[in-house]
Amino acid sequence: NAGVTQTPKFRILKIGQSMTLQCAQDMNHNYMYWYRQDPGMGLKLIYYSVGAGITDKGEVPNGYNVSRSTTEDFPLRLELAAPSQTSVYFCASSYRGQLTNEKLFFGSGTQLSVL
Amino acid sequence: ILNVEQSPQSLHVQEGDSTNFTCSFPSSNFYALHWYRWETAKSPEALFVMTLNGDEKKKGRISATLNTKEGYSYLYIKGSQPEDSATYLCAFLGSNFGNEKLTFGTGTRLTIIP
Repeated sequence: NAGVTQTPKFRILKIGQSMTLQCAQDMNHNYMYWYRQDPGMGLKLIYYSVGAGITDKGEVPNGYNVSRSTTEDFPLRLELAAPSQTSVYFCASSYRGQLTNEKLFFGSGTQLSVL
Repeated sequence: ILNVEQSPQSLHVQEGDSTNFTCSFPSSNFYALHWYRWETAKSPEALFVMTLNGDEKKKGRISATLNTKEGYSYLYIKGSQPEDSATYLCAFLGSNFGNEKLTFGTGTRLTIIP
């Protein structure tokens, strides 16, 4: 199993550009999450999904969109990139939800800079 | 807003020495406490998921304790090795029977000096 695969690893965007961060998992996990990590801050939840076709907002969803058309894939879309979206983005997954005390499996992260 | 704090923010330890650091979290409505290790340029990896007051978990030279009544968990590393250099994240899960999600601390960055 490859686990959770994120692409790209690094990206520089100009203000106003758009891009999609890709996330795929091959563990047949139902739950998938997008987090961002800013310096000096804990991981913040952007969006999550409990299964194909179902997504919901997390703590910091503004400026982002997601879709979950398959169990495996959970892309994160930035429509109009802003400097405030400069961050490290992590995708994570688990088979069941967090209230089952399952650990999260993380991707290796995407370092995004918006200039 | 839940407050999950980790201390210290960073730590330098001589190879072979033992060390520990702290995660503080709300002492009410506790459900679970996660520990993750995040090596630079790699994926964060789960170390422990702890649920019971007084719980102790061990994985090789790394162990963790949990005190839910006072709201803290300690992570211990015995005989530090260079491969222990990483950021250690804790995450708190409360039980308000709503849409609970993990709240992460800011991490303790550990550097082992050979």
